[in-house]
Amino acid sequence: DVKVTQSSRYLVKRTGEKVFLECVQDMDHENMFWYRQDPGLGLRLIYFSYDVKMKEKGDIPEGYSVSREKKERFSLILESASTNQTSMYLCASSLGQANEKLFFGSGTQLSVL
Amino acid sequence: DQQVKQNSPSLSVQEGRISILNCDYTNSMFDYFLWYKKYPAEGPTFLISISSIKDKNEDGRFTVFLNKSAKHLSLHIVPSQPGDSAVYFCAAKDNQGAQKLVFGQGTRLTINP
Repeated sequence: DVKVTQSSRYLVKRTGEKVFLECVQDMDHENMFWYRQDPGLGLRLIYFSYDVKMKEKGDIPEGYSVSREKKERFSLILESASTNQTSMYLCASSLGQANEKLFFGSGTQLSVL
Repeated sequence: DQQVKQNSPSLSVQEGRISILNCDYTNSMFDYFLWYKKYPAEGPTFLISISSIKDKNEDGRFTVFLNKSAKHLSLHIVPSQPGDSAVYFCAAKDNQGAQKLVFGQGTRLTINP
């Protein structure tokens, strides 16, 4: 089974802090994604990556950046955390074939105070 | 602009009856649709999918129907069981080659004993 591991289940940070969310997948998947889930808004795509050192903006990239130095690892960075970035963050990966489903991690609940 | 919409935030169904979850989309370039199920404190897990060349796909108790002319799909669960209580997300992928999924807002399904 595919395993997508997010480093933290819960995080509490202060406004203005730099925040790193880490995600690792163990199935040699080409594609990796970061979504955030908010009540009433569903899952919204922040950034995604098709390959090492490649990144693409999703629908809501403002205030975020990403890093993919190794194929198995995709990091989401909040350069200066703000209260409106309090959310559930979900990492996902997929093999890269057409119509492949995404496999998700368990999520990181981030609270910015 | 919400390209994938789930207009019912919640649904309550008696155990043993049929649950019907609905999803509408606006982008005519979408050609592949998926349903994900999410329990609290867990990541979404893939449930069932359908390609735009089909109008129905069945997997055990779960059936997805696609009406392309109405840009509408629905998930039928029969019979509903208490373990089906979860949030269900509809997702879509376009035919432009991008592997990203666009998600709806989710519907919280509660199965009552």
